[in-house]
Amino acid sequence: DSGVTQTPKHLITATGQRVTLRCSPRSGDLSVYWYQQSLDQGLQFLIQYYNGEERAKGNILERFSAQQFPDLHSELNLSSLELGDSALYFCASSVGGSGTKETQYFGPGTRLLVL
Amino acid sequence: EDKVVQSPLSLVVHEGDTVTLNCSYEVTNFRSLLWYKQEKKAPTFLFMLTSSGIEKKSGRLSSILDKKELFSILNITATQTGDSAIYLCAAPPLSGAQKLVFGQGTRLTINP
Repeated sequence: DSGVTQTPKHLITATGQRVTLRCSPRSGDLSVYWYQQSLDQGLQFLIQYYNGEERAKGNILERFSAQQFPDLHSELNLSSLELGDSALYFCASSVGGSGTKETQYFGPGTRLLVL
Repeated sequence: EDKVVQSPLSLVVHEGDTVTLNCSYEVTNFRSLLWYKQEKKAPTFLFMLTSSGIEKKSGRLSSILDKKELFSILNITATQTGDSAIYLCAAPPLSGAQKLVFGQGTRLTINP
């Protein structure tokens, strides 16, 4: 158990809908990262937040957005869902996020299925 | 473009064999290379390598980094069926951020 929690575990929804994925980082970690893992794309970095502010952006679609709250939990919002958005969404956390040599610890993931 | 490439993509061996997984990288402002093991769900951290030539070891697993050749290997000796997993290699390319660029992974299957 990495200490990173994600809810829900599974989510099935229809195209065009909007969902919110939630992540709580390990105690003491200030950075939260979101990743998408699909069969054909592998593990792709989406976005990083550090202490409430966006720190780095990866391959995140405009239909997706994220935020990190004062208690450091984070939410990833996916809207206008398409079939291709079906994937495992992972959250990871680390202590810092300012370019130091740190390990990211991954949560169990949320499996999203868009029908 | 920052890139991490792993080989082989898939490997099937018998229990007790020794395996070597490869990872080559081309990232700007290289700082570290990480190895993860992914079984059914989330990747779990194995090693972080920052210095060339220093072997990191954890039980039957070991890893080493060659910064000159931009290369790392992960060795697993006396493999067991529980070692079956996807092994991911990743590197954070940019300073000031911790996004990881992942390789495509090596799917390792250990047959009894």
